[in-house]
Amino acid sequence: GESVGLHLPTLSVQEGDNSIINCAYSNSASDYFIWYKQESGKGPQFIIDIRSNMDKRQGQRVTVLLNKTVKHLSLQIAATQPGDSAVYFCAENSGYSTLTFGKGTMLLVSP
Amino acid sequence: DAGITQSPRHKVTETGTPVTLRCHQTENHRYMYWYRQDPGHGLRLIHYSYGVKDTDKGEVSDGYSVSRSKTEDFLLTLESATSSQTSVYFCAISGGGHEQYFGPGTRLTVT
Repeated sequence: GESVGLHLPTLSVQEGDNSIINCAYSNSASDYFIWYKQESGKGPQFIIDIRSNMDKRQGQRVTVLLNKTVKHLSLQIAATQPGDSAVYFCAENSGYSTLTFGKGTMLLVSP
Repeated sequence: DAGITQSPRHKVTETGTPVTLRCHQTENHRYMYWYRQDPGHGLRLIHYSYGVKDTDKGEVSDGYSVSRSKTEDFLLTLESATSSQTSVYFCAISGGGHEQYFGPGTRLTVT
């Protein structure tokens, strides 16, 4: 079947560079925003989340920034490694217990 | 994959035949979800369950039904499969927070 990676915006970086993946969200009432990573042939994997009352949150090698004024979310990956190559999705809570996902960005890391 | 299995992992079926996909979890989580993933569309919610025998529709529920007779199992049924239902199907679970954990996926091809 056709790969989910086709038709996606792609970010190509060199190993060791910092990567920034962007996402625009639609619902100004969303309480949470989440980033997922999906490697080829696998299910999405939780990376990091941020509440709507925060503008920055840091994890291990990743930072998420939230700009509510322009409804924009970004994921920064420091010192990108080949193992970071994947499709990255942002998601926002669209109800009490449901999420709405963005269409994703493919990150390609060259050695 | 956080104690989530999906079966079958791959299936090819003919148009008009019924198909049932199974999601099984060992985490005792309350919420379970079925998504489909297609190139250009990302992850879209089909149905979800917030408890045994409690289910609700998602964004793309037409042509699909679900059942949850016990906490650990969530079944997705295509009563009469169509070619437009060729997709990769993911199950996810949640304990009630906003994080969802995904299974490995089922690739379904309807010929």
